[in-house]
Amino acid sequence: QQQVKQSPQSLIVQKGGISIINCAYENTAFDYFPWYQQFPGKGPALLIAIRPDVSEKKEGRFTISFNKSAKQFSLHIMDSQPGDSATYFCATGGGNKLTFGTGTQLKVEL
Amino acid sequence: GAGVSQSPSNKVTEKGKDVELRCDPISGHTALYWYRQRLGQGLEFLIYFQGNSAPDKSGLPSDRFSAERTGESVSTLTIQRTQQEDSAVYLCASSVGLAGVQGELFFGEGSRLTVL
Repeated sequence: QQQVKQSPQSLIVQKGGISIINCAYENTAFDYFPWYQQFPGKGPALLIAIRPDVSEKKEGRFTISFNKSAKQFSLHIMDSQPGDSATYFCATGGGNKLTFGTGTQLKVEL
Repeated sequence: GAGVSQSPSNKVTEKGKDVELRCDPISGHTALYWYRQRLGQGLEFLIYFQGNSAPDKSGLPSDRFSAERTGESVSTLTIQRTQQEDSAVYLCASSVGLAGVQGELFFGEGSRLTVL
């Protein structure tokens, strides 16, 4: 399967801080770049997504930055809250399926 | 219910036994996906259905794995002669259109399989 490299594997951030998770992909044919959030015991749920015609998308405290030339995209969580503690997956889409990264476990401490 | 439903939520089986995992997608969703999530790892694509057909089975790990979908609704993932490396959470997801192009996958809570 096509690779999507995600880092870091785990992340601890203080409440109010900025959480940053990075992903890199290989296939330039990908044209859809979502982030999914997964809480323990639950299935992943779509958080935010971007298409390659824009370099940034913001929804509330969550921002995706996209660098097409570098084949990289990142998730920024501003003013991180304990309720943001979850596992985050980046994914790449093209054609009929999504290819997911290996996930980042985020813990936001008080 | 409004979401994707999977059963059983937990399954413990002995090595060599067959297991069946069931997925009820959101009504009207034509696309259905199976992914596998091993402990501490990402989501591994297994198979995709469009209607009752499976155009992409490229992720099935071996011929012990098979899946079917009937009535453009329920899907069953079958693992024959289970091995310990099959232990994982099996996630089903559905979408209105193609996940890679048209957007959101709606996941169930998964079936946790433990092979002893």
